[in-house]
Amino acid sequence: DAMVIQNPRYQVTQFGKPVTLSCSQTLNHNVMYWYQQKSSQAPKLLFHYYDKDFNNEADTPDNFQSRRPNTSFCFLDIRSPGLGDAAMYLCATSSPREGFNEQFFGPGTRLTVL
Amino acid sequence: DQQVKQNSPSLSVQEGRISILNCDYTNSMFDYFLWYKKYPAEGPTFLISISSIKDKNEDGRFTVFLNKSAKHLSLHIVPSQPGDSAVYFCAASTPMDSSYKLIFGSGTRLLVRP
Repeated sequence: DAMVIQNPRYQVTQFGKPVTLSCSQTLNHNVMYWYQQKSSQAPKLLFHYYDKDFNNEADTPDNFQSRRPNTSFCFLDIRSPGLGDAAMYLCATSSPREGFNEQFFGPGTRLTVL
Repeated sequence: DQQVKQNSPSLSVQEGRISILNCDYTNSMFDYFLWYKKYPAEGPTFLISISSIKDKNEDGRFTVFLNKSAKHLSLHIVPSQPGDSAVYFCAASTPMDSSYKLIFGSGTRLLVRP
């Protein structure tokens, strides 16, 4: 089945220790998104890639970076995690060229910062 | 400044009855609205959507109603089933570059009692 895969599902890191979350997709969608969701809050868009073009949301902290080496993979790098970065991180894909507004989500990575 | 609001954090209904989940928005430029369903430990999955030029869309037991003058939409589930118990997110779509941005509400947790 075509899908969005996120690894790891659970990640524990120490305060200030860089961490990388990964996302892969078999849908061949050209747009990939990263969202942050804190407990009982709405998912918040951090940035997205349209093909290789990176688009950062204005309020995304510089501490968050992303890489997309190819169509299938996208990474979220947190350079110096703080306690406030503990959250669920969701990756999503879409294919606007096909006329869909729908985004397809992975299961998420829950990040704990000690 | 929340552009999409789900004011009821939780809802409990009896199996077989109607579930009505509500969502309000502030931006009249949103062109599409979507509902996502999220089970624990899974990513949100697309449920149903409606274009801003329509006032109703139906898919099986799920119907979404849009009241543009009130900037309000609702999701009706009839009849409700225990398997419908999940968190439901309302999202509004707005164009950005060549793709779409989704702005989510904070979700409503639905419990369907057997």
